[in-house]
Amino acid sequence: DTEVTQTPKHLVMGMTNKKSLKCEQHMGHRAMYWYKQKAKKPPELMFVYSYEKLSINESVPSRFSPECPNSSLLNLHLHALQPEDSALYLCASSQTGFYGYTFGSGTRLTVV
Amino acid sequence: QQQVKQSPQSLIVQKGGISIINCAYENTAFDYFPWYQQFPGKGPALLIAIRPDVSEKKEGRFTISFNKSAKQFSLHIMDSQPGDSATYFCAAPGYSGGGADGLTFGKGTHLIIQP
Repeated sequence: DTEVTQTPKHLVMGMTNKKSLKCEQHMGHRAMYWYKQKAKKPPELMFVYSYEKLSINESVPSRFSPECPNSSLLNLHLHALQPEDSALYLCASSQTGFYGYTFGSGTRLTVV
Repeated sequence: QQQVKQSPQSLIVQKGGISIINCAYENTAFDYFPWYQQFPGKGPALLIAIRPDVSEKKEGRFTISFNKSAKQFSLHIMDSQPGDSATYFCAAPGYSGGGADGLTFGKGTHLIIQP
């Protein structure tokens, strides 16, 4: 299995909702990442997990809460989002010490 | 954070032509320079990457040229095909280069190959 699987593919949520994005990989990668990508912009790093521990938080607002339950799973919990948070949320994984990331296809999030 | 400056922002090339995208970086400490390709509705995919101990790497129609003294690296797509139409990003490590630091991406180049 050489894929990163993200669910759901599309999500519409209200500003008072709580939702979660899920990411899964079975390549044995011990580094996992969340990126945010707005239209016609590059991906922007949000969080880095290394060996299931949060190693980088790029000053992301607390309404985004990451979780890494095990070495194969990465979640992003969403609460009280704003319309400007609408974007494509990408998950990626890699072997530690290696920058050849494998990205998922992303979750297209719309906040209404 | 490492900055990478990518150009051009958009590029139109005729089928069969050579597409060239450039990227400049600042920090000489890093040792891995990848290019990613992204199609609409998909996540970026690693296309080709180079380490600074070589000046050129070729994989099929894709070539990276690396100029250490100028702190630049470029992507060349030979015999460009309509299926190459996509957005291309150069990238560089974000922090110490230790691996799990997160990549910083250039602004991207929207490439269109005209039939």
